[in-house]
Amino acid sequence: DGGITQSPKYLFRKEGQNVTLSCEQNLNHDAMYWYRQDPGQGLRLIYYSQIVNDFQKGDIAEGYSVSREKKESFPLTVTSAQKNPTAFYLCASSIDLLTTQYFGPGTRLTVL
Amino acid sequence: SQQGEEDPQALSIQEGENATMNCSYKTSINNLQWYRQNSGRGLVHLILIRSNEREKHSGRLRVTLDTSKKSSSLLITASRAADTASYFCATKAGKSTFGDGTTLTVKP
Repeated sequence: DGGITQSPKYLFRKEGQNVTLSCEQNLNHDAMYWYRQDPGQGLRLIYYSQIVNDFQKGDIAEGYSVSREKKESFPLTVTSAQKNPTAFYLCASSIDLLTTQYFGPGTRLTVL
Repeated sequence: SQQGEEDPQALSIQEGENATMNCSYKTSINNLQWYRQNSGRGLVHLILIRSNEREKHSGRLRVTLDTSKKSSSLLITASRAADTASYFCATKAGKSTFGDGTTLTVKP
């Protein structure tokens, strides 16, 4: 099956710990994205990548880091510098930056 | 700043009625896309309309685009309880494309 997957579905972290969220796609898409969604709100862009080995900051990149070593994978690390990390995180991919984005099922991160 | 902003924020209708939601944006676009999100899930792409198109249909969905007013509307006809979800518009993929969405509740 072609698609985009995120793992885990639920993630709990203690304050001060870094945590990495996984995002994998087998759609052969060049572009990938990470969004954060808080309750009752829309999506805010954290980072995006147009192509392998390249990524750009979105609107709320502080406290987050990413890598794009492989076309299929775009992991997001939530660092201890992120002051309020509890949120729903969505990964997406698209053929390029102008085309339809396909979303993963999301990871709900809770900081204890 | 966000490129797409949806209106109204919330909409509640009876099954069988039509639902209309609007989207405004600020800069020139290549295309505009509408997405749907069920609670706690990822977004699902509904329809894409290009900047040189004025109207597009897909099943019970009708999207219009007015580039002079920088606005788009999504019409869902003969709504069903299963249409209950949040709906988002998005312009050029990349930075700041999504608004806060319209939450649609369809009562059976």
